[in-house]
Amino acid sequence: ETGVTQSPTHLIKTRGQQVTLRCSSQSGHNTVSWYQQALGQGPQFIFQYYREEENGRGNFPPRFSGLQFPNYSSELNVNALELDDSALYLCASSLAAVNTEAFFGQGTRLTVV
Amino acid sequence: AQSVTQLDSQVPVFEEAPVELRCNYSSSVSVYLFWYVQYPNQGLQLLLKYLSGSTLVKGINGFEAEFNKSQTSFHLRKPSVHISDTAEYFCAVSPGGSTLGRLYFGRGTQLTVWP
Repeated sequence: ETGVTQSPTHLIKTRGQQVTLRCSSQSGHNTVSWYQQALGQGPQFIFQYYREEENGRGNFPPRFSGLQFPNYSSELNVNALELDDSALYLCASSLAAVNTEAFFGQGTRLTVV
Repeated sequence: AQSVTQLDSQVPVFEEAPVELRCNYSSSVSVYLFWYVQYPNQGLQLLLKYLSGSTLVKGINGFEAEFNKSQTSFHLRKPSVHISDTAEYFCAVSPGGSTLGRLYFGRGTQLTVWP
């Protein structure tokens, strides 16, 4: 049990719709990173938030956006869903200091039909 | 840029046998190295990490890994596996510094332990 919780656990959406995924970070952590894990692949870095500001982004289009709130929880928003967006979305929280590890939530399984 | 190559997509092994899961990385900067395990329908759990110091790192569940800078490798080993070790294993690198917490993963190795 990492203390990182994600909701919902499963979600089915239609192509073209919008979706919001949520993440509560572990107590004391101020950094949240989001990853997309397609079936049979390793997680791919989407972006990272530190103290409510985006702190780096992977190779994902602008329709992937995020927020971090004052309590360090976070949201991932995806607009204009495509079939290829079907994946497990993982949230990881960490403390922005030297030599700290990231703790992962259980993930949200998104299916786009 | 950082990248990670896990050389074996699947590794079958019998219970109580030793196992090695291979990982090579490429990076233009010093990196931190990690091994994560993922059980079905679950998130990622950290097995072990190399940040600095001794190149032999011991982790949870009897796993260990050795950092080899000259070969840019970070192979995971366990001397005797159990059925409960069946899972997907991911090697990851983090460039550290201001990007600490940002992980770049390999494609994973499915370890299957047979009785």
